Amino acid sequence: DQQVKQNSPSLSVQEGRISILNCDYTNSMFDYFLWYKKYPAEGPTFLISISSIKDKNEDGRFTVFLNKSAKHLSLHIVPSQPGDSAVYFCAASEWTSNTGKLIFGQGTTLQVKP
Amino acid sequence: DGGITQSPKYLFRKEGQNVTLSCEQNLNHDAMYWYRQDPGQGLRLIYYSQIVNDFQKGDIAEGYSVSREKKESFPLTVTSAQKNPTAFYLCASGTGTGREKLFFGSGTQLSVL
Repeated sequence: DQQVKQNSPSLSVQEGRISILNCDYTNSMFDYFLWYKKYPAEGPTFLISISSIKDKNEDGRFTVFLNKSAKHLSLHIVPSQPGDSAVYFCAASEWTSNTGKLIFGQGTTLQVKP
Repeated sequence: DGGITQSPKYLFRKEGQNVTLSCEQNLNHDAMYWYRQDPGQGLRLIYYSQIVNDFQKGDIAEGYSVSREKKESFPLTVTSAQKNPTAFYLCASGTGTGREKLFFGSGTQLSVL
């Protein structure tokens, strides 16, 4: 049972345009969400996170939006740069579980064309 | 520099052989985690440990074993019972309290000869 879903395996955008990556979740107990970026044969690196008490969080070119009623979050990258080309993973955690473990989506491969 | 070190980067397993993947952290984190990544799939949790001498099964623990004898170290053994071990293995650490990011190592690619 996939609790965190990224339904788009890949996304291609032009340099300078906006990239929008989407993520859906099914577990209503999730209360903290993160986005990680991953290059091949490397470990994921943290990008940005959002708590369920917020609906938006910004960090430079990256903005994460959370719609709790729809159980949906999205990552916006503006403007997109060729160096942003990587696999992006959405992840969620349930604070009440008190384990710190993250549940990951399948990932979306972003290609930014020069 | 603080971080997580995984070794080796590449590992090959013969049929019937057990292999051990190393994970060391100097971030003073209580919790450590092992994830597996397969092509086209997300990261799936194998085992995790929130404190020394204690660990819990994740979603795909069959065919794997771990130990946590020291706070800094959380080795993963892929046993011969794991019939499909070829994957990219990632170790992570965190405070274990939730609502926080995990820090990941650079991974180990395990392949079967």
